[in-house]
Parts: sequence; C-alpha cells; structure tokens
Amino acid sequence: SQELEQSPQSLIVQEGKNLTINCTSSKTLYGLYWYKQKYGEGLIFLMMLQKGGEEKSHEKITAKLDEKKQQSSLHITASQPSHAGIYLCGADRTKTSYDKVIFGPGTSLSVIP
Amino acid sequence: SAVISQKPSRDICQRGTSLTIQCQVDSQVTMMFWYRQQPGQSLTLIATANQGSEATYESGFVIDKFPISRPNLTFSTLTVSNMSPEDSSIYLCSVAGRSSEAFFGQGTRLTVV
Repeated sequence: SQELEQSPQSLIVQEGKNLTINCTSSKTLYGLYWYKQKYGEGLIFLMMLQKGGEEKSHEKITAKLDEKKQQSSLHITASQPSHAGIYLCGADRTKTSYDKVIFGPGTSLSVIP
Repeated sequence: SAVISQKPSRDICQRGTSLTIQCQVDSQVTMMFWYRQQPGQSLTLIATANQGSEATYESGFVIDKFPISRPNLTFSTLTVSNMSPEDSSIYLCSVAGRSSEAFFGQGTRLTVV
C-alpha cells in the first residue's frame, strides 16, 4: 500500500499563479523531504522538515509540516516555467537517522508561459 | 552535502543480458541506497547497501536479480541481471547526509529491448 499520498497528481498553471502540492501519511513522519525532478535528470533536494509546525522557505518555495507531522504542503508563489517538473515528497520510515526514504507518487507540474 | 556520480547515465540493453551500474560518492558514507523508478511511477527502494555486509533487500527484490557490491565506504554497484523489458527504469543511488538529508545520483536510464 502507498504510505505517502500526494495531491494533486498533476497540475497545470499559468505563469505567475500560486500553487500548492500536498503530501499526506497515515503515520507520523519523522523526517519529510521535498524533491524536484526534471525529465532526464536526477532528484534535486529542496527542503527537509522535521518538527511539527515547521516551515521553511527557499526563494519562492515554502514547505510546511503540520503539528501532527502527518501532512506537508509545498507552496510555490508566482510560478515560473523553471518550476515545471515532478515534485516528490519523501519521508524517513523510522526515527533512525540515515535511514532509507520512502516516496510519494509525485506531482507533475506544468507552468504555461 | 555529498556529490554522487553514477555511471552509465543511460544504456540500451538486449534482454537476457546484465548491466552493472556504478555509484561513486565524494565522501565516506555508511549507508547507500538503490532505488528504481519505473516509467510514470515514483521511486521504489530496492535495497540498502552497507560496507562489509550483505545488502538488505526490500520486499519484491532479490539478490539473484539485483546483486549489489559495496567494497568500500565511497563506492557501490548494482547489477540488473537477466534483463527483461520490465526492467526498463531509472535506477538511482542515494546516500544519507549527516543532517538526515538524502542525496541522489543523476540516475541511470535503462531501456531493455
């Protein structure tokens, strides 16, 4: 069964619009990661969240982890074509550091100029 | 951060043959992970490779099909054996950083014909 769910599955937005991608789990997330993947390229690490209620921002991307540590959102402000790609959330399966990461199914984002 | 080099970046192979993918890290790491991303799907963990011990395989993956070597703390290989078209995927190696971040190689895009 899928341990991480992502919504929406795909998204097409006009350049300049804001958007949000969600990642949810039925279990507590010990570490939540957001990655971006472009076609033919490896994963690009965006952000990591560990504490309930934590919020981090980098340029126009903001990620939040809810207090229960079961849901995270990735928000992009004033989207640009360069934001297009597949966004994956990943989570530590256990509390142990350096453990393997499980992934959500991904959200495909297209930004129309 | 860790810089990971994967080789080859892509290959087209005949069914029934085997391909060995190399993963080189620029620093010593305890645990290395191998993932598979089938077309249109998210990443799936194949196995965890620890130096000095046998790899630990996830459900659905076996050593005969995906033998892994981990001769030292900076290098690992994954072999895809007796390939079939269903093995066509992107294979990625990953390491865990000291701050619990996960770093990924650029991936190996394998097509089996």
